Amino acid sequence: SQQGEEDPQALSIQEGENATMNCSYKTSINNLQWYRQNSGRGLVHLILIRSNEREKHSGRLRVTLDTSKKSSSLLITASRAADTASYFCATGRNAGGTSYGKLTFGQGTILTVHP
Amino acid sequence: GAGVSQTPSNKVTEKGKYVELRCDPISGHTALYWYRQSLGQGPEFLIYFQGTGAADDSGLPNDRFFAVRPEGSVSTLKIQRTERGDSAVYLCASSSIVFAGANVLTFGAGSRLTVL
Repeated sequence: SQQGEEDPQALSIQEGENATMNCSYKTSINNLQWYRQNSGRGLVHLILIRSNEREKHSGRLRVTLDTSKKSSSLLITASRAADTASYFCATGRNAGGTSYGKLTFGQGTILTVHP
Repeated sequence: GAGVSQTPSNKVTEKGKYVELRCDPISGHTALYWYRQSLGQGPEFLIYFQGTGAADDSGLPNDRFFAVRPEGSVSTLKIQRTERGDSAVYLCASSSIVFAGANVLTFGAGSRLTVL
C-alpha cells in the first residue's frame, strides 16, 4: 500500500519559475526522502530530511517537514527544462532501533518544465 | 560494481510461464530491495533483504512470487505461473546504512516485464 500522497498529481510550469510539490503521510516516520524518476525507470535520491528536522536545503532544492501535520514539501527554485521528471516522496521508519527498513513511496508528482 | 545492475532490461513472456529477474547491487551494500511499479504509480514495496535473509517480505502479493539472495549479494526475483497483472517494471535497489543513519536507496534501471 502507498503511504504517501503527493499533490498535485501533475504540475506544468515555465522555465525560471518555482515548483512546489507536497507530500502527506499517515504513520510516524524516522525520515522522509524525495526521489526523482526520468522516463519511468530508475529513481534517483535527491534529499533526505529526518523527523527532528524542519527544513533542509540542497542546491536549488528546499524540503520542509511538518511532523504534526504529517506533511512535507519539495520546492525547486528557478526550474529548468531538465527538471522535467516525476518526483516521489518516500517515508522510512525505524526497525529494531536502527534505520534499516523499507521505504514506502507515494504516487508521485509529474513535473513538466517548458523552455 | 559502480551501480545497481538489473537483467534483463526487458522481458516478454506468455501467461503461465516462469520468470527470473536478477539484481546485482552496489558492492558492499548489505540491504537490497525489490519494488514493483505499474504505469502512473509509485514504486510498490515487495521485499527487502539484510544480508542473505529476507528482513521484510510483507509486500510479496502471493506465493507465486519468491526472492532469494543466497550469498548476500546478487538477488533473484522469481515469478511462477505469470499472469497479465504481473506486467510492470520491477525495480531493485540497494543501500548502505552509513548515510545520515538512514537507508538511502540506489536504484537500478529496472526490468520491464510484459506478460501476454
